[in-house]
Amino acid sequence: EDQVTQSPEALRLQEGESSSLNCSYTVSGLRGLFWYRQDPGKGPEFLFTLYSAGEEKEKERLKATLTKKESFLHITAPKPEDSATYLCAVQAAGATNKLIFGTGTLLAVQP
Amino acid sequence: DAGITQSPRHKVTETGTPVTLRCHQTENHRYMYWYRQDPGHGLRLIHYSYGVKDTDKGEVSDGYSVSRSKTEDFLLTLESATSSQTSVYFCAITDRDGSTDTQYFGPGTRLTVL
Repeated sequence: EDQVTQSPEALRLQEGESSSLNCSYTVSGLRGLFWYRQDPGKGPEFLFTLYSAGEEKEKERLKATLTKKESFLHITAPKPEDSATYLCAVQAAGATNKLIFGTGTLLAVQP
Repeated sequence: DAGITQSPRHKVTETGTPVTLRCHQTENHRYMYWYRQDPGHGLRLIHYSYGVKDTDKGEVSDGYSVSRSKTEDFLLTLESATSSQTSVYFCAITDRDGSTDTQYFGPGTRLTVL
């Protein structure tokens, strides 16, 4: 069964304190792995798509990496505005347009 | 912004009443989706559509029906609302990005069934 597990469930950082969020997945052939950011009361906002092991993508203070079993979202020198829930999702080969989501990591960055 | 609007944004209803949520998109996307989001479960697919009058079930489709009579509108109907359907409902569309279809989400509808 395709499955996505995110850890930790919640993370509290001081401003400037770098850290990483984890997304472990089990899928029958990975077509793509997606990272989203979700602010309270809003819909998920797309951040990155990763397609194959070894791939990396960056956007401002965020960098996403991918291995055959997991993905990491690295946050470098976070700011309070990076506080949000970060969601990971996978798309399996042969399951076109169907995403399996993890339950997310709630990140709080304190000034 | 993927040009997605959802209505209503908030709704409170009573058990046993029918409820229809609307998703509207302005960019002629072929694929549209309905998800629900609940604490501890993440986003779960209810139904999706791959064209006008073409729909299919997701993993949590019981108690829900959908219709798509126009490209721009995808309706989700709770035939007889139950308290277990209290949730936040998100609509999404697919925009092709290379070899993978990226889903973009609307702002959500918060539904409370009393």
